Amino acid sequence: DAGVIQSPRHEVTEMGQEVTLRCKPISGHDYLFWYRQTMMRGLELLIYFNNNVPIDDSGMPEDRFSAKMPNASFSTLKIQPSEPRDSAVYFCASSSRFGGYTFGSGTRLTVV
Amino acid sequence: AQSVTQPDIHITVSEGASLELRCNYSYGATPYLFWYVQSPGQGLQLLLKYFSGDTLVQGIKGFEAEFKRSQSSFNLRKPSVHWSDAAEYFCAVIKAAGNKLTFGGGTRVLVKP
Repeated sequence: DAGVIQSPRHEVTEMGQEVTLRCKPISGHDYLFWYRQTMMRGLELLIYFNNNVPIDDSGMPEDRFSAKMPNASFSTLKIQPSEPRDSAVYFCASSSRFGGYTFGSGTRLTVV
Repeated sequence: AQSVTQPDIHITVSEGASLELRCNYSYGATPYLFWYVQSPGQGLQLLLKYFSGDTLVQGIKGFEAEFKRSQSSFNLRKPSVHWSDAAEYFCAVIKAAGNKLTFGGGTRVLVKP
């Protein structure tokens, strides 16, 4: 198994641009999570899905953030418009129930 | 609300010495408990987990952790650290009724030669 695959690994964009982060979970995992990691706030859960349905999006900071999971093998996190304070490492993780999460390698986003 | 506290932000240990990282949780019932390690520029890797049963849990890379209900703690230990153990370590909790992982603030471990 290739694990959780995230793309791109690095993204540099200008303020105001749309950014789309992608995630392919492990096959058979029915939970998918998006986290953001910053020095100031640590690891924050943004949103998670169960069987492709969003369960808890209370961590999504603003309406500029949106996430979708159109099928069991793909999810996106979109920021539109992006701002410098969105600069962070964004992690995707997947799990089966209580199986322990498997994390992707992350996308390092820099908004200038 | 559940929370996870890692009291030590940084720990420096000599190579070959023992290591113990502290983790305390705040939750009414017994949660599911995890330790993850993050090397610089990498994602998080699961070291071990506790759901029930034996309170001493063995993990990968020679790590173990002990669940102590009376102290609401789940401390991570390694008898003899290697330079490759330098990383950031995160304790995390899932409450039994859900599958939402809440992380502590992390402990950064530095290993001296």
